[in-house]
Amino acid sequence: GQQVMQIPQYQHVQEGEDFTTYCNSSTTLSNIQWYKQRPGGHPVFLIQLVKSGEVKKQKRLTFQFGEAKKNSSLHITATQTTDVGTYFCAGGGGSNYKLTFGKGTLLTVNP
Amino acid sequence: SQTIHQWPATLVQPVGSPLSLECTVEGTSNPNLYWYRQAAGRGLQLLFYSVGIGQISSEVPQNLSASRPQDRQFILSSKKLLLSDSGFYLCAWSVGGSVTEAFFGQGTRLTVV
Repeated sequence: GQQVMQIPQYQHVQEGEDFTTYCNSSTTLSNIQWYKQRPGGHPVFLIQLVKSGEVKKQKRLTFQFGEAKKNSSLHITATQTTDVGTYFCAGGGGSNYKLTFGKGTLLTVNP
Repeated sequence: SQTIHQWPATLVQPVGSPLSLECTVEGTSNPNLYWYRQAAGRGLQLLFYSVGIGQISSEVPQNLSASRPQDRQFILSSKKLLLSDSGFYLCAWSVGGSVTEAFFGQGTRLTVV
């Protein structure tokens, strides 16, 4: 079955440093989604990428979808304490509407 | 606008007792519905998903079951809880007929004692 792997599991940075998390799928994805979960909260949708090689930006966040539609990355420039949380990627596999999440990357930011 | 309701927020149940968690969605029709479990505050494990009334796909063999008796109602059940069933259970929905963004409920923190 479809598996989505995400690295690293944890990342601790100083405020102002950059942060990147990577997502890899065992199968070609129809799309990739990114979510953020604050401590104690529920996952909240950030963005969806659909096209091969697609790059999208949201302020300090940059999202990429690989050419083969099997991998993706989320890059945060100049982290802030408000960026703290767990970032998940989720892969859509096609016609069965299943949404498989990676294990997430827990980001902590030292002020 | 669409909303998702999930209850209860917290639950403490003894081993061997039954479980019923309910999730309802408002403001949309024929949504895709999902149940996830998050153990130890980390990864989201897909338990069940449904694309229509009475249609349930199970991802992980376990002592849990799911049902969708109405279009916008998704229920997670167990006849006898195990200690290992403890975790954070999240219900989510997305627009039917596609794999688009998922909207999550507030979650139920289940502790089996």
